[in-house]
Amino acid sequence: EVQLVESGGGLVQPGGSLRLSCAASGFAFGEYWVQWIRQAPGKGLAWVARINSDGRTTIYADSVKGRFTISRDNAKNTLFLQMNSLRVEDTAIYFCSRDFRFGADYWGQGTLVTVSS
Amino acid sequence: QSALTQPPSASGSPGQSVTISCTGTSSDVGRYNYVSWYQQYPGKAPKLMIFEVSERPSGVPDRFLGSKSGNMASLTVSGLQAEDEADYYCGSYAGNNVFVFGGGTKLTVL
Repeated sequence: EVQLVESGGGLVQPGGSLRLSCAASGFAFGEYWVQWIRQAPGKGLAWVARINSDGRTTIYADSVKGRFTISRDNAKNTLFLQMNSLRVEDTAIYFCSRDFRFGADYWGQGTLVTVSS
Repeated sequence: QSALTQPPSASGSPGQSVTISCTGTSSDVGRYNYVSWYQQYPGKAPKLMIFEVSERPSGVPDRFLGSKSGNMASLTVSGLQAEDEADYYCGSYAGNNVFVFGGGTKLTVL
């Protein structure tokens, strides 16, 4: 069974940093592109970043470019999102998902990031 | 990286059909056949319902039908059931490995 489990969310002050993790199981993690997608409270989905199977190609939404870094450890079947210079508008549930035909076929349950003073 | 446009709400009675539109541009929906649709219940993770415009993942009822014409994609839900009441999001590949979502449509089964 494919599973994605996010962790690392929490409360952080504006300007602070946070590192999210996503533990994958049930599939050949190292063969898939994976991505982060977020959802602000009461709002819609917003794509954040993608990373290719070997970790050498990373792509970001304009809203997080230069502040967030996506990475992966295929030996540990884990996806990461390093978030720096956090802003109030980054407050959201962050989902990791497996890329499938330029969509997302499996999703984690999400981890809540709250940026507030 | 502009969001796709969806109506905020849609509704229908049980047994009826309802169509949700998703309007993009010639740089995303109009250029690529990588439109996907997601169903989300409150407090839950989204679920993939349609990929590549009209393909259904295993387990998705054939009451869910995806299509595309020009810069607009559509999701039609036929034979509406109470369990179909949820938020629906479209998404599209926008080139250069960028992905974009629609703002979401709340489907109400009357």
